[in-house]
Amino acid sequence: DTGVSQDPRHKITKRGQNVTFRCDPISEHNRLYWYRQTLGQGPEFLTYFQNEAQLEKSRLLSDRFSAERPKGSFSTLEIQRTEQGDSAMYLCASSPKVTSGRAFIYNEQFFGPGTRLTVL
Amino acid sequence: GQNIDQPTEMTATEGAIVQINCTYQTSGFNGLFWYQQHAGEAPTFLSYNVLDGLEEKGRFSSFLSRSKGYSYLLLKELQMKDSASYLCAVRASSYNTDKLIFGTGTRLQVFP
Repeated sequence: DTGVSQDPRHKITKRGQNVTFRCDPISEHNRLYWYRQTLGQGPEFLTYFQNEAQLEKSRLLSDRFSAERPKGSFSTLEIQRTEQGDSAMYLCASSPKVTSGRAFIYNEQFFGPGTRLTVL
Repeated sequence: GQNIDQPTEMTATEGAIVQINCTYQTSGFNGLFWYQQHAGEAPTFLSYNVLDGLEEKGRFSSFLSRSKGYSYLLLKELQMKDSASYLCAVRASSYNTDKLIFGTGTRLQVFP
């Protein structure tokens, strides 16, 4: 079990440039989440997918942000025209679908190591 | 609105017991999680409570009171490696949403 992986681990870019991050969830995990974490704060929810469908986007996700999960496996998060305020750790998490009685539920989210973005 | 409160910092001595409190006010509740996060690393799962009461897992226990919007994480027999941030998170999920709402985290320092 390789866990959730993210690439790159660190990214330094200049203001105005575009950046793209990749997340590979744990195999067969249906749900994939993106969070952003700044220093001294807890992670903040950005968006999540169930398979390839993007089901929810936070108001934090401005028009400059876009996320995809084209085949329901890996996901990418792109930030266009980066700003210094985008500097943060971007965390990806995945969650399996488990059966509880007659229902399917999603509980624990497994986090990847994150991509630390620095915008100069 | 969504609000989760936990102390910013705590200190304790190796071998001691420490309790980290968390209070929450959220629209929607489907469980409370505690995660541990070492500096520069990903959060790792510690515990999950969805019903009132105490869940014990080795040196770690977590308690939930839904009526009071209150939880705590209890760490026993503290070790130096327990120095980390501890994140309280409420799972707000319904037919059209599923996310964890995190507190700011409690940074615990364990001294010899």
